[in-house]
Amino acid sequence: DSGVTQTPKHLITATGQRVTLRCSPRSGDLSVYWYQQSLDQGLQFLIQYYNGEERAKGNILERFSAQQFPDLHSELNLSSLELGDSALYFCASSVGGGAGTDTQYFGPGTRLTVL
Amino acid sequence: AQSVTQLGSHVSVSEGALVLLRCNYSSSVPPYLFWYVQYPNQGLQLLLKYTSAATLVKGINGFEAEFKKSETSFHLTKPSAHMSDAAEYFCAVSGGSNYKLTFGKGTLLTVNP
Repeated sequence: DSGVTQTPKHLITATGQRVTLRCSPRSGDLSVYWYQQSLDQGLQFLIQYYNGEERAKGNILERFSAQQFPDLHSELNLSSLELGDSALYFCASSVGGGAGTDTQYFGPGTRLTVL
Repeated sequence: AQSVTQLGSHVSVSEGALVLLRCNYSSSVPPYLFWYVQYPNQGLQLLLKYTSAATLVKGINGFEAEFKKSETSFHLTKPSAHMSDAAEYFCAVSGGSNYKLTFGKGTLLTVNP
């Protein structure tokens, strides 16, 4: 158990819908990262928040957005869902926000299925 | 830009045999390198990481990896495979002011009895 929690574990929805994925980082960690894992794209970095502020952005679609709240939990919002958005979405957390040596601890993931 | 290439999407070994999973990286800055393992239906677990200290890094579950700058490699090894090692293994790189992890495509390890 990494200490990172993600809810829900599974999500099934229809095209065009909007969903929210939630992540609680390990106690004491200030950074939250979101990754998408799909069969064709592999594991891709989406976005990072550090202590409530956006720190880095990766291959995140404009239909997707995220935020980190004062209690440091984070939410990833996916809207106008398409079939291709079906994937496993991971949240990770780390203590710091600037060092490449920071170990990122991963949650169990949310499996999103868009029908 | 950084990238990782994992040679072999699927590696099969016999129980007790040597495990060798290959990873080559590309980075314009001194890299930090990581190996993660993903068991079926689970998240990623850190096996080990290289952060410019010792070039031979020991991790959990008997795994180790050696950083070879001249070969831009960070191969993962384990002397004797166990059935419980069957999983998917990911090599990742970060570095400089780039905090994100860039992952390889992964290598699925199968251990045969």
